[in-house]
Amino acid sequence: DTEVTQTPKHLVMGMTNKKSLKCEQHMGHRAMYWYKQKAKKPPELMFVYSYEKLSINESVPSRFSPECPNSSLLNLHLHALQPEDSALYLCASSQSAGDYEQYFGPGTRLTVT
Amino acid sequence: AQSVTQPDIHITVSEGASLELRCNYSYGATPYLFWYVQSPGQGLQLLLKYFSGDTLVQGIKGFEAEFKRSQSSFNLRKPSVHWSDAAEYFCAVASGYSTLTFGKGTMLLVSP
Repeated sequence: DTEVTQTPKHLVMGMTNKKSLKCEQHMGHRAMYWYKQKAKKPPELMFVYSYEKLSINESVPSRFSPECPNSSLLNLHLHALQPEDSALYLCASSQSAGDYEQYFGPGTRLTVT
Repeated sequence: AQSVTQPDIHITVSEGASLELRCNYSYGATPYLFWYVQSPGQGLQLLLKYFSGDTLVQGIKGFEAEFKRSQSSFNLRKPSVHWSDAAEYFCAVASGYSTLTFGKGTMLLVSP
């Protein structure tokens, strides 16, 4: 199984809502990533988890809160988002944090109203 | 700092014609280089990668890329494009622990 899955595919939320994005992989990878991608732009790294510990936070606002409950799962908790946070949120995984060969999920299209 | 330049924002190629997408990088040491493809509304799929060794790298879907250190380039090629190749293509360089730096992407349009 070489697949990274993400749910939901689409999410619309108001600025006062709390929601979560989920990511799952069963490749035995020990590093997982969250990226944000705005329309017609490349992905921007948000967070990196290595062995279930947060190893990189690219100065992401605290309204985004990542969580790695186990080696297969990665969540992104969202609270009090702004309309400019609307984007495609991509999850990726790799064998380890030093392994640059990353496998991406299909993404969650988030719209903040 | 490492950077990647994809000079072409859009490229249109006739179906069956050959394709070359350009990528130039800026990196002090031997770079780790990647090409990813993204269909509309989808995630990124790794086409191929270069770490070391043979400078001509074969990937999936009939793509290949050539690493040229003298030109700081890693151009992606395909001898015959299919309509299903229409997508956005991103070149990337490993740029620190766990970090990929992506180019701005090239949108490939395939005309009948």
